[in-house]
Amino acid sequence: QVQLQQSGPGLVRPSETLSLNCTVPGGSLTKNYLTWIRQPPGKGLEWIGYIYSTGSTNYNPSLKSRVTISADTSKSQFSLKLNSVTAADTAVYYCAKGRVLLNVWGPGTTVTVSS
Amino acid sequence: DIQMTQSPSTLSASVGDRVTITCRTSQNINRWLAWYQQKPGKAPKLLIYDGSTLESGVPSRFSGSGSGTEFTLTISSLQPDDFATYYCQQYNNYSFGGGTKVDVK
Repeated sequence: QVQLQQSGPGLVRPSETLSLNCTVPGGSLTKNYLTWIRQPPGKGLEWIGYIYSTGSTNYNPSLKSRVTISADTSKSQFSLKLNSVTAADTAVYYCAKGRVLLNVWGPGTTVTVSS
Repeated sequence: DIQMTQSPSTLSASVGDRVTITCRTSQNINRWLAWYQQKPGKAPKLLIYDGSTLESGVPSRFSGSGSGTEFTLTISSLQPDDFATYYCQQYNNYSFGGGTKVDVK
Protein backbone atom coordinates (compact mmCIF):
# COMPACT_ATOMS: atom_id res chain seq x y z
CA GLN A 1 0.00 0.00 0.00
CA VAL A 2 1.22 3.49 -0.81
CA GLN A 3 2.88 5.21 2.11
CA LEU A 4 2.77 8.95 2.61
CA GLN A 5 6.06 10.82 2.41
CA GLN A 6 7.10 13.12 5.22
CA SER A 7 9.79 15.80 5.32
CA GLY A 8 10.99 18.50 7.65
CA PRO A 9 13.72 19.33 10.14
CA GLY A 10 14.43 17.02 13.03
CA LEU A 11 15.61 19.79 15.35
CA VAL A 12 13.75 22.95 16.25
CA ARG A 13 14.83 25.57 18.74
CA PRO A 14 12.56 26.54 21.64
CA SER A 15 10.08 29.34 20.85
CA GLU A 16 10.48 28.79 17.10
CA THR A 17 8.05 27.21 14.61
CA LEU A 18 7.97 23.52 13.78
CA SER A 19 7.20 22.95 10.09
CA LEU A 20 6.58 19.56 8.52
CA ASN A 21 5.31 18.43 5.12
CA CYS A 22 3.40 15.36 4.04
CA THR A 23 3.07 14.34 0.39
CA VAL A 24 0.59 11.94 -1.17
CA PRO A 25 2.66 10.19 -3.89
CA GLY A 26 0.87 10.29 -7.22
CA GLY A 27 -2.33 11.16 -5.44
CA SER A 28 -4.99 13.74 -5.75
CA LEU A 29 -5.99 15.88 -2.81
CA THR A 30 -9.54 16.11 -4.05
CA LYS A 31 -12.09 14.88 -1.51
CA ASN A 32 -9.34 13.77 0.88
CA TYR A 33 -8.75 14.37 4.55
CA LEU A 34 -5.24 14.43 5.98
CA THR A 35 -4.63 14.05 9.70
CA TRP A 36 -1.60 14.85 11.85
CA ILE A 37 -0.83 12.84 15.01
CA ARG A 38 2.14 12.97 17.34
CA GLN A 39 3.73 10.67 19.90
CA PRO A 40 6.10 11.95 22.60
CA PRO A 41 8.95 9.61 23.48
CA GLY A 42 7.66 6.57 25.38
CA LYS A 43 4.10 7.91 25.42
CA GLY A 44 0.81 7.44 23.61
CA LEU A 45 -0.73 8.96 20.51
CA GLU A 46 -2.07 12.52 20.45
CA TRP A 47 -4.39 13.74 17.71
CA ILE A 48 -3.28 17.15 16.42
CA GLY A 49 -5.86 17.91 13.75
CA TYR A 50 -6.96 17.40 10.18
CA ILE A 51 -7.62 19.26 6.96
CA TYR A 52 -10.06 18.51 4.17
CA SER A 53 -9.14 19.16 0.56
CA THR A 54 -11.45 22.18 0.52
CA GLY A 55 -9.24 23.73 3.18
CA SER A 56 -11.51 23.27 6.19
CA THR A 57 -9.68 22.28 9.34
CA ASN A 58 -10.31 20.88 12.80
CA TYR A 59 -7.73 21.11 15.58
CA ASN A 60 -7.14 19.62 19.02
CA PRO A 61 -8.35 22.32 21.43
CA SER A 62 -5.19 21.94 23.50
CA LEU A 63 -3.04 22.92 20.49
CA LYS A 64 -5.45 25.10 18.54
CA SER A 65 -3.82 28.41 19.42
CA ARG A 66 -0.45 27.27 18.07
CA VAL A 67 -1.20 24.95 15.14
CA THR A 68 -1.93 25.49 11.47
CA ILE A 69 -2.55 22.74 8.93
CA SER A 70 -2.64 23.73 5.27
CA ALA A 71 -2.74 22.12 1.85
CA ASP A 72 -1.01 22.90 -1.44
CA THR A 73 -3.10 21.13 -4.06
CA SER A 74 -0.63 21.92 -6.85
CA LYS A 75 2.02 19.89 -5.06
CA SER A 76 -0.29 17.26 -3.48
CA GLN A 77 1.28 18.39 -0.24
CA PHE A 78 -0.02 19.03 3.27
CA SER A 79 1.80 21.07 5.88
CA LEU A 80 1.84 21.26 9.66
CA LYS A 81 3.06 24.33 11.50
CA LEU A 82 3.30 24.49 15.29
CA ASN A 83 4.59 27.75 16.69
CA SER A 84 6.18 28.71 20.00
CA VAL A 85 7.45 25.19 20.57
CA THR A 86 8.85 23.94 23.88
CA ALA A 87 10.49 20.71 24.96
CA ALA A 88 6.99 19.28 25.50
CA ASP A 89 6.53 19.33 21.72
CA THR A 90 9.36 16.85 21.23
CA ALA A 91 7.73 13.85 19.54
CA VAL A 92 7.41 11.68 16.48
CA TYR A 93 4.98 13.42 14.15
CA TYR A 94 2.88 11.32 11.78
CA CYS A 95 0.61 12.26 8.92
CA ALA A 96 -2.17 9.86 7.93
CA LYS A 97 -4.71 9.82 5.14
CA GLY A 98 -8.27 10.26 6.28
CA ARG A 99 -10.22 11.78 9.15
CA VAL A 100 -11.05 8.47 10.78
CA LEU A 101 -10.16 4.99 9.50
CA LEU A 102 -6.52 6.03 9.19
CA ASN A 103 -5.21 3.21 7.02
CA VAL A 104 -2.35 4.95 5.19
CA TRP A 105 0.37 6.59 7.25
CA GLY A 106 3.67 8.34 6.77
CA PRO A 107 6.76 6.85 8.40
CA GLY A 108 6.90 9.56 11.04
CA THR A 109 9.36 12.38 11.61
CA THR A 110 11.20 12.63 14.90
CA VAL A 111 11.29 16.26 16.01
CA THR A 112 13.39 17.34 18.95
CA VAL A 113 12.95 20.77 20.49
CA SER A 114 16.28 21.86 21.91
CA SER A 115 18.65 24.78 21.83
CA ASP B 1 -14.56 16.49 26.06
CA ILE B 2 -14.88 12.74 25.86
CA GLN B 3 -12.46 10.93 28.16
CA MET B 4 -10.98 7.61 27.12
CA THR B 5 -9.96 4.91 29.58
CA GLN B 6 -8.09 1.96 28.15
CA SER B 7 -7.22 -1.09 30.26
CA PRO B 8 -5.02 -2.74 31.15
CA SER B 9 -2.01 -0.55 30.41
CA THR B 10 0.19 -3.63 30.19
CA LEU B 11 -0.79 -7.22 29.55
CA SER B 12 1.57 -10.19 29.76
CA ALA B 13 0.52 -13.17 27.68
CA SER B 14 1.76 -16.28 25.90
CA VAL B 15 1.37 -17.42 22.33
CA GLY B 16 -2.01 -19.07 21.97
CA ASP B 17 -3.65 -17.05 24.75
CA ARG B 18 -6.96 -15.27 24.30
CA VAL B 19 -6.35 -11.57 24.93
CA THR B 20 -8.94 -8.92 25.73
CA ILE B 21 -8.39 -5.17 25.87
CA THR B 22 -11.07 -2.73 27.01
CA CYS B 23 -11.74 0.87 26.08
CA ARG B 24 -14.31 2.94 27.96
CA THR B 25 -15.55 6.40 27.03
CA SER B 26 -17.09 9.03 29.27
CA GLN B 27 -19.96 9.61 26.83
CA ASN B 28 -21.98 7.51 24.44
CA ILE B 29 -20.15 7.32 21.10
CA ASN B 30 -22.45 4.73 19.50
CA ARG B 31 -20.03 2.48 17.62
CA TRP B 32 -17.66 5.19 16.43
CA LEU B 33 -14.41 3.68 17.62
CA ALA B 34 -11.32 2.24 15.96
CA TRP B 35 -8.46 0.05 17.15
CA TYR B 36 -4.83 0.39 16.05
CA GLN B 37 -1.75 -1.77 16.54
CA GLN B 38 1.67 -0.17 16.85
CA LYS B 39 5.06 -1.82 16.88
CA PRO B 40 8.23 -0.05 18.10
CA GLY B 41 9.53 2.50 15.64
CA LYS B 42 6.57 2.03 13.28
CA ALA B 43 3.41 3.95 12.47
CA PRO B 44 0.16 2.58 13.86
CA LYS B 45 -1.84 0.14 11.79
CA LEU B 46 -5.62 0.19 11.58
CA LEU B 47 -7.16 -3.08 12.76
CA ILE B 48 -10.85 -2.42 13.37
CA TYR B 49 -13.22 0.47 12.74
CA ASP B 50 -16.83 1.29 13.56
CA GLY B 51 -16.41 -0.77 16.70
CA SER B 52 -16.38 -4.18 15.05
CA THR B 53 -15.51 -3.99 11.33
CA LEU B 54 -12.26 -5.72 10.48
CA GLU B 55 -9.97 -3.71 8.21
CA SER B 56 -9.08 -5.48 4.96
CA GLY B 57 -6.10 -7.79 5.34
CA VAL B 58 -6.26 -7.99 9.13
CA PRO B 59 -6.28 -11.58 10.45
CA SER B 60 -9.62 -12.88 11.65
CA ARG B 61 -8.20 -13.67 15.10
CA PHE B 62 -8.74 -9.96 15.79
CA SER B 63 -12.26 -8.89 16.65
CA GLY B 64 -13.95 -5.86 18.12
CA SER B 65 -17.18 -5.50 19.98
CA GLY B 66 -19.16 -3.00 21.96
CA SER B 67 -21.11 0.18 21.55
CA GLY B 68 -22.09 3.15 23.63
CA THR B 69 -19.36 3.57 26.22
CA GLU B 70 -17.64 0.20 26.44
CA PHE B 71 -15.63 -1.51 23.73
CA THR B 72 -13.43 -4.58 23.53
CA LEU B 73 -10.62 -5.72 21.29
CA THR B 74 -10.08 -9.48 21.39
CA ILE B 75 -7.26 -11.54 19.96
CA SER B 76 -8.58 -15.10 19.92
CA SER B 77 -5.20 -16.85 19.81
CA LEU B 78 -2.18 -14.63 20.31
CA GLN B 79 0.53 -15.03 17.67
CA PRO B 80 4.19 -13.99 17.87
CA ASP B 81 3.51 -11.08 15.50
CA ASP B 82 0.84 -9.70 17.84
CA PHE B 83 3.17 -8.53 20.60
CA ALA B 84 2.71 -4.79 20.25
CA THR B 85 0.90 -1.80 21.72
CA TYR B 86 -2.79 -1.32 20.97
CA TYR B 87 -4.73 1.96 20.97
CA CYS B 88 -8.40 2.79 20.70
CA GLN B 89 -9.56 6.04 19.09
CA GLN B 90 -13.02 7.56 19.13
CA TYR B 91 -14.40 9.61 16.27
CA ASN B 92 -16.12 12.36 18.28
CA ASN B 93 -13.14 14.46 19.24
CA TYR B 94 -10.58 12.00 17.81
CA SER B 95 -8.77 11.34 21.09
CA PHE B 96 -6.87 8.12 21.68
CA GLY B 97 -6.84 5.79 24.64
CA GLY B 98 -3.64 5.55 26.64
CA GLY B 99 -2.56 2.30 25.00
CA THR B 100 -2.14 -1.33 26.05
CA LYS B 101 1.22 -2.97 25.67
CA VAL B 102 0.99 -6.73 25.10
CA ASP B 103 4.27 -8.36 26.06
CA VAL B 104 5.65 -11.84 26.58
CA LYS B 105 4.67 -13.59 29.79
